[in-house]
This record gives sequence, structure tokens and C-alpha cells, in this order.
Amino acid sequence: GENVEQHPSTLSVQEGDSAVIKCTYSDSASNYFPWYKQELGKRPQLIIDIRSNVGEKKDQRIAVTLNKTAKHFSLHITETQPEDSAVYFCAAISGGRSNDYKLSFGAGTTVTVRA
Amino acid sequence: AAGVIQSPRHLIKEKRETATLKCYPIPRHDTVYWYQQGPGQDPQFLISFYEKMQSDKGSIPDRFSAQQFSDYHSELNMSSLELGDSALYFCASSRRGLETQYFGPGTRLLVL
Repeated sequence: GENVEQHPSTLSVQEGDSAVIKCTYSDSASNYFPWYKQELGKRPQLIIDIRSNVGEKKDQRIAVTLNKTAKHFSLHITETQPEDSAVYFCAAISGGRSNDYKLSFGAGTTVTVRA
Repeated sequence: AAGVIQSPRHLIKEKRETATLKCYPIPRHDTVYWYQQGPGQDPQFLISFYEKMQSDKGSIPDRFSAQQFSDYHSELNMSSLELGDSALYFCASSRRGLETQYFGPGTRLLVL
């Protein structure tokens, strides 16, 4: 099955600075990579995703890059704000039968934005 | 926009009791996934359904079973509960053929 590794486990940044979270995956057949933001006790909320036919995607202050050859992808948050403080999970679709899209998650990164 | 609905939101059970968690997917979503998230952990895939048929299975204990009904809602049945079953249980839904999954608010299960 798919194995996703995520670094760092914790990240503290000054408000206004950028935050970068990196993930690697093991299954070369994986082709969909979402990022979820989770606040304490709440649901994982999809913030951005990227498919394997795209190298980069941006949505306002959030961007994701994908390097299929190296099997790694990254989340970039610019101009961080206190409300960006949360746990961020990267994920990949596990390989398997067509249309079976179970998510394999990284261990999560706790991001703290200091005011 | 309508979201995934889960019930109950909180559940307290004793060891060896049973529990049933319910999930109502987003309208026109036909695929349901169940995930278990322990404290400080990432969500772990349990099981998924499409068109009332189990489509994939992950690390789900034999004490747990699940099904999907004709209206696409799903129920996760948990028997012989153990202390280690205490966790957040999330349901996510998607449309067949699309990878994007949207999560419900979760059910927090506490086994005493």
C-alpha cells in the first residue's frame, strides 16, 4: 500500500512569514494529492489538491508543487495569519483498483503562527 | 452547500457494548469512506462503499462491520467495544470516479 511521510511534525512561524510542508510518497501509481487542514476536534477540511498531470497549483496564499520523478509534493503558505494555525495533513490516493480512492495520510504538521 | 452529516456527534459507551455510527453523504455523492482518527494521529482508512457494495477495506477490526443503503447513507457497527476504540470516526463522501473526498464533522466515541 501507499506510504506517505510528512515533515516537519511541528512548524512555528512569525505572522506574515511563509510556511512550507513537505511530503513524500511511495507508490508511483498514486496520482492525486490533497492537503487537508484540521483544527482541534474538527473535520479535515480540503484546502487544495493537485493531480499528477500538473506540477504546480495555486489558490490565493496557498500553493502546492509536485515532483513525480522524486515522488514528493509540498504545501506553501505565504503571508501567514493566526487563523492558519492548525494541523495540516498531506495525503495520496493509494494504488489499487480503478475508482478505489482511499486516502493515505501523512502524520501531520502542527503549524503555529505567532502574532 | 449541503455537507456530510454524521450522527451522533458524541457517544459514550462501556467496554463490550455496541455502537452504531451513521453517515449521510453529500447529495448526489454515491461513495462513502470511513476513517478512524486516534488522538494526535492521522486518519486511518477503515472501509469504503459504492452502490451498497463494499469497494475497499483497510485496517478495520473484525468486530466492526458496515453497510451502505439504497439512499447512499452508511452505518458503521462496532461490537465488543474496547478502550482502544476511543477515537474520532469520520465519514467522507465523493462522487464515483472523482477523487475529491469531503469529510463529515465526525463522531467522537469514548469507551469507558
